[in-house]
Amino acid sequence: SQTIHQWPATLVQPVGSPLSLECTVEGTSNPNLYWYRQAAGRGLQLLFYSVGIGQISSEVPQNLSASRPQDRQFILSSKKLLLSDSGFYLCAWTRGAENIQYFGAGTRLSVL
Amino acid sequence: GDSVTQMEGSVTLSEEAFLTINCTYTATGYPSLFWYVQYPGEGLQLLLKATKADDKGSNKGFEATYRKETTSFHLEKGSVQVSDSAVYFCALSMNTGFQKLVFGTGTRLLVSP
Repeated sequence: SQTIHQWPATLVQPVGSPLSLECTVEGTSNPNLYWYRQAAGRGLQLLFYSVGIGQISSEVPQNLSASRPQDRQFILSSKKLLLSDSGFYLCAWTRGAENIQYFGAGTRLSVL
Repeated sequence: GDSVTQMEGSVTLSEEAFLTINCTYTATGYPSLFWYVQYPGEGLQLLLKATKADDKGSNKGFEATYRKETTSFHLEKGSVQVSDSAVYFCALSMNTGFQKLVFGTGTRLLVSP
C-alpha cells in the first residue's frame, strides 16, 4: 500500500532562519506531488506542484521554493523565513490521472 | 477563476443532531467535487466525492449530492457523533489534465455529548 511521510511534525524557527521540510511517498512511482499551506483561520492554498523529477510549478509567488530531487521526494525550502510563513504545511500526492489527493499528516511551522 | 465557498466557519451541535454544512462552487466547466475531513492534529482525508451532476457521494453516514442547477454540494449526516468533530473542507477539481484541488475555507464542526 502507498504511504506518505512528512517531517518534522512541528517546527519552531526564528525569523530569518532557513527552512527545509521533507515529504516522501512510498509504494508508488511517478506520483504527482503537491505542497499546500493552511494559514490560521484560512483554507488550504496550493503552493507548488510537481509532475516529475526536477519539474516544479509555483502557484503563488512568495518566500518559499520547492525541489524534487528524486521521484518520490518533495522538499519545501526557504532561505530566510518571515513571520507570515507560519502555518500548517501539507504534502499530498496523486496517481496519474486519478483525481483523489492523499495527504500527509502535515508540519506545523511557527516563525517567531 | 474557479472557487469554492463555505459560509459557515464553525458549527456546534449536540450528539445525534442533524448536520448540514453548505458548499457552493463557481467553475467554468464541470468539476469533480469532494469533501475532505481534517481531524485534530492530522492531515486531510477524503470523505466522499462526486464526479458528475446528480451523483451522490456517501461514506461513514455522510452524504452529499452534486447539484449542477444550484452549483452546490452540501454535506449532510442524519445523526452526528462526538467523534465527528473535525474540520470539513469542500473542494473541486476540474477534470482536465493535471489535477489541482481548489478548497473552501473549511467548517469546524464541534459535537458535544
